[in-house]
Amino acid sequence: GAVVSQHPSRVICKSGTSVKIECRSLDFQATTMFWYRQFPKKSLMLMATSNEGSKATYEQGVEKDKFLINHASLTLSTLTVTSAHPEDSSFYICSARDHRTGLLNEKLFFGSGTQLSVL
Amino acid sequence: KQEVTQIPAALSVPEGENLVLNCSFTDSAIYNLQWFRQDPGKGLTSLLLIQSSQREQTSGRLNASLDKSSGRSTLYIAASQPGDSATYLCAVRGYSGGSNYKLTFGKGTLLTVNP
Repeated sequence: GAVVSQHPSRVICKSGTSVKIECRSLDFQATTMFWYRQFPKKSLMLMATSNEGSKATYEQGVEKDKFLINHASLTLSTLTVTSAHPEDSSFYICSARDHRTGLLNEKLFFGSGTQLSVL
Repeated sequence: KQEVTQIPAALSVPEGENLVLNCSFTDSAIYNLQWFRQDPGKGLTSLLLIQSSQREQTSGRLNASLDKSSGRSTLYIAASQPGDSATYLCAVRGYSGGSNYKLTFGKGTLLTVNP
């Protein structure tokens, strides 16, 4: 299957700093990537949909100025958590849609996730 | 608003047992349903995808069924092994149109298979 690389896997930062998380599709082009957030023992919650070359679409309740998403190429999307606070501590996972697959048969391929801890 | 529920939240079985994980969803207007596996602190691995027009999908020891009208899916694992220990997530794709692909996830079932 397709490979999605997410980096870093774990980051610890001080409150007030910004953290950038990268999501790369290694062997396919991803016109659309998705960013999820997961709290312990909770469902994955979609934060935003990232479309190459255009602005991200954010889900209701997600602050777009706090969670900056850039999808500058067909293989890379980044999520920047700006001015991080302890409540931003969470597990962030990206996923990518292989644009070659048909709409109804497509699967999403997930990165390995980033555990963010804000002190 | 779509809601996905998975029962049980946790399950512990001895090695070799067959087991069933359950998933239910409130809105039957779905494109498809996927079962994922998540290991601790890791991303998701897609196990099976069932289109809305399908009743079941099989892969090795895994069999997933879908009853769209009743909003239910089951994941059957045959002859469980310790390596099957993980959290299993169910997710449905609703009609969101365009290039969006919104999945709604359940909270998962934490499976432990004891040697």
